[in-house]
Amino acid sequence: AQKVTQAQTEISVVEKEDVTLDCVYETRDTTYYLFWYKQPPSGELVFLIRRNSFDEQNEISGRYSWNFQKSTSSFNFTITASQVVDSAVYFCALSERGNTGNQFYFGTGTSLTVIP
Amino acid sequence: ETGVTQTPRHLVMGMTNKKSLKCEQHLGHNAMYWYKQSAKKPLELMFVYSLEERVENNSVPSRFSPECPNSSHLFLHLHTLQPEDSALYLCASSQDTAKSGRPTDTQYFGPGTRLTVL
Repeated sequence: AQKVTQAQTEISVVEKEDVTLDCVYETRDTTYYLFWYKQPPSGELVFLIRRNSFDEQNEISGRYSWNFQKSTSSFNFTITASQVVDSAVYFCALSERGNTGNQFYFGTGTSLTVIP
Repeated sequence: ETGVTQTPRHLVMGMTNKKSLKCEQHLGHNAMYWYKQSAKKPLELMFVYSLEERVENNSVPSRFSPECPNSSHLFLHLHTLQPEDSALYLCASSQDTAKSGRPTDTQYFGPGTRLTVL
C-alpha cells in the first residue's frame, strides 16, 4: 500500500485561480513529519514546509497554505491566486519511525500547470 | 557555494563508459542520499550515508557504486549502465538527528544530474 497518496496526477488552472493539491498519508506512528516539495522544470526539489504530527495548526505563507487534518490523514496544499511561476511538480512526503527504523516516503507527485 | 550542488548537470554516456556523479553539501549536515527519478515513477531512494557510513542500499544494481569520503561529499560511480538507467539523479542531505541512518529531518536537494545512457 502507498504510504503517501497524491491522487491528482495532473492539474491545470488558469492564472489567478486558487488550486488545492491533495495528499493522504498512512502511518501507525504517533510521531511523524509531513513535507511538501516543489520541483520546477529545472529539476531541483525545493523544500516548502515541514509539519510534525503534534501540530495541526494550519499554516499560511504568502499565497501558500497548508491544511493538516489528522482525522482524515491528509495534508493538503492550497495555492491562492496562482501564477505561471507556480507551474511545477509538487511532492508530498512522510517521515516516520517505523518498526525497522526511520523511513522517508515520497508521493508520486502532482504536476501543476498554470495557464496565463 | 550554498546548499547542495551536483556536477555534472547533464551527462550522456555509452553503455561501456565509466563516469562519476559528484554531490557536495555546504549545510553542515551529517547524512547524504542518492535518489533516482525516472519519468512517470516515484522517487527511488538508492543509497543513504549517515556519518559517512552506508546504512541503506535498496537493492540497487552493482553497476552503481557510491562513495562518501566525508560528510560533505558524495559520489556515484557508474559503469556498464543500461539504457533504462537514464534518469534524473538527485542528491540530498539532512541532519540525521535520530542517529539511525534514516532521514527524519528535512532533506535539501541538489539540482540533479540528467543522465542519458545510449
